[in-house]
Amino acid sequence: SQTIHQWPATLVQPVGSPLSLECTVEGTSNPNLYWYRQAAGRGLQLLFYSVGIGQISSEVPQNLSASRPQDRQFILSSKKLLLSDSGFYLCAWRTSGQGFYPGYGYTFGSGTRLTVV
Amino acid sequence: AQSVAQPEDQVNVAEGNPLTVKCTYSVSGNPYLFWYVQYPNRGLQFLLKYITGDNLVKGSYGFEAEFNKSQTSFHLKKPSALVSDSALYFCAVRDGGATNKLIFGTGTLLAVQP
Repeated sequence: SQTIHQWPATLVQPVGSPLSLECTVEGTSNPNLYWYRQAAGRGLQLLFYSVGIGQISSEVPQNLSASRPQDRQFILSSKKLLLSDSGFYLCAWRTSGQGFYPGYGYTFGSGTRLTVV
Repeated sequence: AQSVAQPEDQVNVAEGNPLTVKCTYSVSGNPYLFWYVQYPNRGLQFLLKYITGDNLVKGSYGFEAEFNKSQTSFHLKKPSALVSDSALYFCAVRDGGATNKLIFGTGTLLAVQP
């Protein structure tokens, strides 16, 4: 079956510390992968997307970076966290099942709540 | 550019009454439209989608949505609200091209009173 895993669920980090959030998917190959951030419990902003290994595109300039070292692994990182990096981070992948239209969709991980103190 | 608008920050409804959460869209070409629900500190759960076919789409947990091309709307509906439906609801549209990313509305908080 196709599933997505995201960890850790919660994280409290001091300002200036590094960050690594991981997302992995199962049951598919060469998925389109996305990192979103949700600030203040509402708006969802796309941070990065990847269409393949080593292919990363950034949507907005920021203190974060992303990498895709393996086909089904997507990592969000920072060398030095800022207070403004606090938020709820969601990984997602674009699914395609049997038949283009029935299978087309986006599945989200359970999220990571990051608090920078 | 593709966009979606959710004009209501919050919708209040009594349990057992019908509910509607509004969404309008602006896209070039045929829209791929989605509704998601989010419970506190949880990820997004898929409710339903419209890509092609019947304008009335039925989804999870008794929700449905009607695609209206002339009004560029995709309102979420449920005939009888439950207290457990209280959550944050997001409408989204696919942005085609290289990214195929989802563009989200600002979300509508649904509060169902017992």
